Amino acid sequence: QVQLVESGGGVVQPGRSLRLSCAASGFMFSGYGMHWVRQTPGKGLEWVALIWYDASNKKSAETVKGRFTISRDNSKNTLYLQMNSLRVEDTAIYYCARDNGDYGGALDYWGQGTLVTVSS
Amino acid sequence: QSALTQPPSASGSPGQSVTISCTGTSSDIGTYDYVSWYQQHPGKAPKLMIYEVTKRPSGVPDRFSASKSGNTASLTVSGLQAEDEADYYCSSYAGSNNVLFGGGTKLTVL
Repeated sequence: QVQLVESGGGVVQPGRSLRLSCAASGFMFSGYGMHWVRQTPGKGLEWVALIWYDASNKKSAETVKGRFTISRDNSKNTLYLQMNSLRVEDTAIYYCARDNGDYGGALDYWGQGTLVTVSS
Repeated sequence: QSALTQPPSASGSPGQSVTISCTGTSSDIGTYDYVSWYQQHPGKAPKLMIYEVTKRPSGVPDRFSASKSGNTASLTVSGLQAEDEADYYCSSYAGSNNVLFGGGTKLTVL
């Protein structure tokens, strides 16, 4: 069965960096686009970034552009999110999710999320 | 791009139907037939309920249906059940590989 497991979250000071990972299994990872979506505790969902199946296309939300970088290693079935220059407002649960294949934003499988807390 | 607009709350009694709206613009919902709906129970990850405006993934009950008119999409839950109580989020493709989410609607089953 499809499984997505995020890791790498934790407490970090403003201005520092953190790298999240998402280990995928149960499907052909190299054939699917992948997304990062975040959710501030008690608040709504915010799309963060997308990477195509072969990494030929990437896109980030304006709120993280220039600070966050999405990448993937298809040989390791792993998705990454490099987060630099972190801000207090980046505090959230970060989910990785699989695109259903149309690149129309339908995310058919989600991980359990990893909590990132940015605080001094 | 701004988030899509959803009512913060909706409610209905068991067996009734409830409809949740999601308003966007001509740059997202109004242009693309890529509207999705997600259900999220407390402490859980979101679950895809509807994609491409009206399609249901395998395993989603047919009590869940959706539509779109102009810049507004709608999710209808018929025959409300206690387990339908959750937060519901809409999303839309917004062009150039961008995705927008709505602010979410808390559905209460009375």
